[in-house]
Amino acid sequence: NAGVMQNPRHLVRRRGQEARLRCSPMKGHSHVYWYRQLPEEGLKFMVYLQKENIIDESGMPKERFSAEFPKEGPSILRIQQVVRGDSAAYFCASSPPSAGGNTGELFFGEGSRLTVL
Amino acid sequence: DAKTTQPTSMDCAEGRAANLPCNHSTISGNEYVYWYRQIHSQGPQYIIHGLKNNETNEMASLIITEDRKSSTLILPHATLRDTAVYYCIVRVANYGQNFVFGPGTRLSVLP
Repeated sequence: NAGVMQNPRHLVRRRGQEARLRCSPMKGHSHVYWYRQLPEEGLKFMVYLQKENIIDESGMPKERFSAEFPKEGPSILRIQQVVRGDSAAYFCASSPPSAGGNTGELFFGEGSRLTVL
Repeated sequence: DAKTTQPTSMDCAEGRAANLPCNHSTISGNEYVYWYRQIHSQGPQYIIHGLKNNETNEMASLIITEDRKSSTLILPHATLRDTAVYYCIVRVANYGQNFVFGPGTRLSVLP
């Protein structure tokens, strides 16, 4: 059973370009979370999604950032008009459906490292 | 804000048990205690979780005090590969709450 897959693992963008980060959850998982980790800092929650729904986006910057988790395909975190401060590691996590006694632990991918020049 | 407090850093000798404490004095009755670790810029790795009973798996043991206001993660025989930042998180086990990561404890396993 493959783990959470994120791509690209490394992405370099110039200021003003767009960055798209993809996350494929573990098989059978229908909940996706995105976290950001700035250099030498902790993990900060950004957004929590279920299929076709954004459940909690309280950690998302108000501008330039968006996320989706379509019915088919991976979840995508999109950053428009990137700035140097967006340089960070972006981690995706997934969890199984809430039914069946699951107690909600998250399983993380290896992250996508964005560098903005 | 994180609901837990942990020491900033700890050292442990290789082969010895590593005992990582966590205080969660405001924990609610329906909140679980989860432990994760992050090995140098890799993705966080789930270790263990519990509600009120002590738990053990192939990685670690979790000891939760009777009043549930604190817990200890035990790595029984620490190796150099256990050097990481360890996060203690409390969370209701439903799906509408994210995991709030604090600064964690940086464990250094020394040869």
